[in-house]
Amino acid sequence: QVQLVQSGAEVKKPGASVKVSCKASGYTFTSYYMHWVRQAPGQGLEWMGIINPSGGSTSYAQKFQGRVTMTRDTSTSTVYMELSSLRSEDTAVYYCARGTTIVGAAYWGQGTLVTVSS
Amino acid sequence: DIQMTQSPSTLSASVGDRVTITCRASQSISSWLAWYQQKPGKAPKLLIYKASSLESGVPSRFSGSGSGTEFTLTISSLQPDDFATYYCQQYNSYTWTFGQGTKVEIK
Repeated sequence: QVQLVQSGAEVKKPGASVKVSCKASGYTFTSYYMHWVRQAPGQGLEWMGIINPSGGSTSYAQKFQGRVTMTRDTSTSTVYMELSSLRSEDTAVYYCARGTTIVGAAYWGQGTLVTVSS
Repeated sequence: DIQMTQSPSTLSASVGDRVTITCRASQSISSWLAWYQQKPGKAPKLLIYKASSLESGVPSRFSGSGSGTEFTLTISSLQPDDFATYYCQQYNSYTWTFGQGTKVEIK
């Protein structure tokens, strides 16, 4: 069965960086794009970007350009999302989600809470 | 960028009620629209994809309709497990946009 397992909660200081991982299993890792979506406390869902695990190409939401980097490791079927220059507004739950052009996102990771606080 | 406008933001209803949530896209997205249910502390759950296709395992009381720029999610008879927040999402391109969400509360 498809599973996306994310790394654990993080607490970071303003200005620091955080790197969240998402390990995929149960399917061919390179066959599906992976998206990152975040959700601030009490707020809605916000799309951050997409990575193609096959070639590593990425596309980021304008809002995060210059601060986010998405990478993958095909040997471990893991994608990573690194966000730099953290500020308090980046406190959120970060999700990875397997995307398809037909369905949208049927599979999501469990979420990783990133707290930015001095 | 495609904007998604969802209404209402909050909806109070009783068990057994018929509930309708609307989502409007700022430009045509054909039928590339999904609906998700989210409960506190959980990841979103896919309910409907391609505007009207029911995801496997989702109860048939959920249905979706629309195309182009206007879409609706209908719950034919609200059940206790349905009190949650619902989001629409466009996936017309490789970029996604979500609606602001509709919280369905107990009346």
